Amino acid sequence: DIQLTQSPSSLSASVGDRVSITCRAGQSVANYLNWYQWKPGQAPRLVIYGASTLQNGVPTRFTGSGSGTSFTLTISGLHPDDFATYFCEQSYSSPRTFGQGTKLEIK
Amino acid sequence: QVQLVESGGGVVQPGTSLRISCTASGFTFSNYGMHWVRRSPDRGLQWVALILPDGDNTDYADSVKGRFTISRDNLKNTLYLHMNSVTADDTATYYCAREGASWSGSDAFDIWGQGTMVTVSS
Repeated sequence: DIQLTQSPSSLSASVGDRVSITCRAGQSVANYLNWYQWKPGQAPRLVIYGASTLQNGVPTRFTGSGSGTSFTLTISGLHPDDFATYFCEQSYSSPRTFGQGTKLEIK
Repeated sequence: QVQLVESGGGVVQPGTSLRISCTASGFTFSNYGMHWVRRSPDRGLQWVALILPDGDNTDYADSVKGRFTISRDNLKNTLYLHMNSVTADDTATYYCAREGASWSGSDAFDIWGQGTMVTVSS
């Protein structure tokens, strides 16, 4: 199984800040890396797929980058609605695996 | 409105069986691969199973292979997970998720339900 390690596990930031979350894979997943936003009591929301493609309807302040084993989700200009937990997930090979999550909290 | 709604969770005893369901609406269910994913405090997020649009092809996590069966009824727009010989390790919230269409260029989970909780306890 391909292990995904996210860092940091939690992050405190203020509205308007720029934040980055990293996801490292135990082996190459090419660009088959997806990012999800998860808020308590809600269904998860796909934010980025294919490492860098913005899902329809997701604000352009979200960007994804990376390939191979190292990936980054960046949110430029945090909005109040962005405070949530973010997960990475690889769709390169079965079984699909997830990172442990990064909780983004308001400072 | 594109939506997935899970149901059927509950408290079950170890060694018993349970079937959970996921009803889809707002899209052509028969065109999409569907997955079950579970989340627990101990193990985080874990992919469980996949079924392709035709229902003939499936894949499972090793931890559930031989115990769980994923199936679908495309006429009822419903996905199922039959869980047999459950153990405490199967305690989790179970989510159904739609895989992006092959023509979309994405195989990510683009639609998720809100989950149904399964607790295995004596």
